[in-house]
Amino acid sequence: GAGVSQTPSNKVTEKGKYVELRCDPISGHTALYWYRQSLGQGPEFLIYFQGTGAADDSGLPNDRFFAVRPEGSVSTLKIQRTERGDSAVYLCASSFGPEDTQYFGPGTRLTVL
Amino acid sequence: KQEVTQIPAALSVPEGENLVLNCSFTDSAIYNLQWFRQDPGKGLTSLLLIQSSQREQTSGRLNASLDKSSGRSTLYIAASQPGDSATYLCAVSNSGGSNYKLTFGKGTLLTVNP
Repeated sequence: GAGVSQTPSNKVTEKGKYVELRCDPISGHTALYWYRQSLGQGPEFLIYFQGTGAADDSGLPNDRFFAVRPEGSVSTLKIQRTERGDSAVYLCASSFGPEDTQYFGPGTRLTVL
Repeated sequence: KQEVTQIPAALSVPEGENLVLNCSFTDSAIYNLQWFRQDPGKGLTSLLLIQSSQREQTSGRLNASLDKSSGRSTLYIAASQPGDSATYLCAVSNSGGSNYKLTFGKGTLLTVNP
């Protein structure tokens, strides 16, 4: 079966612009996660969805970041007024439940000029 | 706050060598520990998952051990191959309600030379 997919694979934007990053989880996985990986660092947790609701958004760095999962499947991470410091690889993962193995997508590399 | 450290940051070995990657964590109240592999431009692939009650897990040429009380884990790779070249990441999840949240180390960049 298909794994976790993320689009676009690369996104270049200018400082101050708005971007949306999409994640398609593995079918049947109710749990979905977003992580951010800066250059030379390990991934850092951003947000966890159980179904349609954000069960834990404690990792979102500030209110410019927002994520949705309206139908409990596809999720979109939205970043407003992008800053150069937002440049990173954004990884999405999904699992059957919160205690199960997380399967990661290939990531979206975001570059803010 | 849980912190994960991986040593060394980079390792280069000739093909065929056995090698050990190290991971340490500051809070021993973990739910599980995982080792991942990350290839350039690709996502993370889970290699081994050790529950907090376990001491080790094996998969093929890979063996991971866990000493929860001392906050350490090692990943042993036997008879390394050029195809093993990648970044290896250690991640822990904490017990106590947020066991879905993985805390990662910065990784060890492994190069196996033919």
